[in-house]
Amino acid sequence: DSGVTQTPKHLITATGQRVTLRCSPRSGDLSVYWYQQSLDQGLQFLIHYYNGEERAKGNILERFSAQQFPDLHSELNLSSLELGDSALYFCASSVGSGSRQETQYFGPGTRLLVL
Amino acid sequence: QQQVKQSPQSLIVQKGGISIINCAYENTAFDYFPWYQQFPGKGPALLIAIRPDVSEKKEGRFTISFNKSAKQFSLHIMDSQPGDSATYFCAAGPGSQGNLIFGKGTKLSVKP
Repeated sequence: DSGVTQTPKHLITATGQRVTLRCSPRSGDLSVYWYQQSLDQGLQFLIHYYNGEERAKGNILERFSAQQFPDLHSELNLSSLELGDSALYFCASSVGSGSRQETQYFGPGTRLLVL
Repeated sequence: QQQVKQSPQSLIVQKGGISIINCAYENTAFDYFPWYQQFPGKGPALLIAIRPDVSEKKEGRFTISFNKSAKQFSLHIMDSQPGDSATYFCAAGPGSQGNLIFGKGTKLSVKP
């Protein structure tokens, strides 16, 4: 158990809908990273938050957004969902800001299926 | 420049054999090279990591070999066991956005 929690574990929804994925980092970790994992693309970095502020954006679609709250939990919002958004979504946390080498601890993921 | 290329895509090894997975990177600014292990239905878990100031790091049956001049690093699993069957990801970082850059993964199957 990494200490990172994600809810829900599974999510089934329809095209055009909006969903929210939740992540609680390990105790003491200030950074939260979101990744999308699909069969053909591997682990793709989406976005990074550090202590409530957005630090970096990766391959995140404009339909997707995220935020990190004062208690450091983070939410990833996916809207106008398309079939191709079906994937595993992982969050990871680390102690610092990510500017130096540090271990990222991954949560168990949320499996999203868009029908 | 931000890519990490991993091979092979899949690997079948007999129990007791050596599993070898290779990765190559381009960005010489990377200074952290972790390997993650992922079992079906689970998130990736850190297995072992290396920094570029050493050429090898060993933890139990798992060894990372690092070749800075060739910009390559590899994972060796000695005495491979069926319980090692999982997908292995190499990564490098930090990237320009502070993130880890992951290889596409190697699915390892260890046959009893």
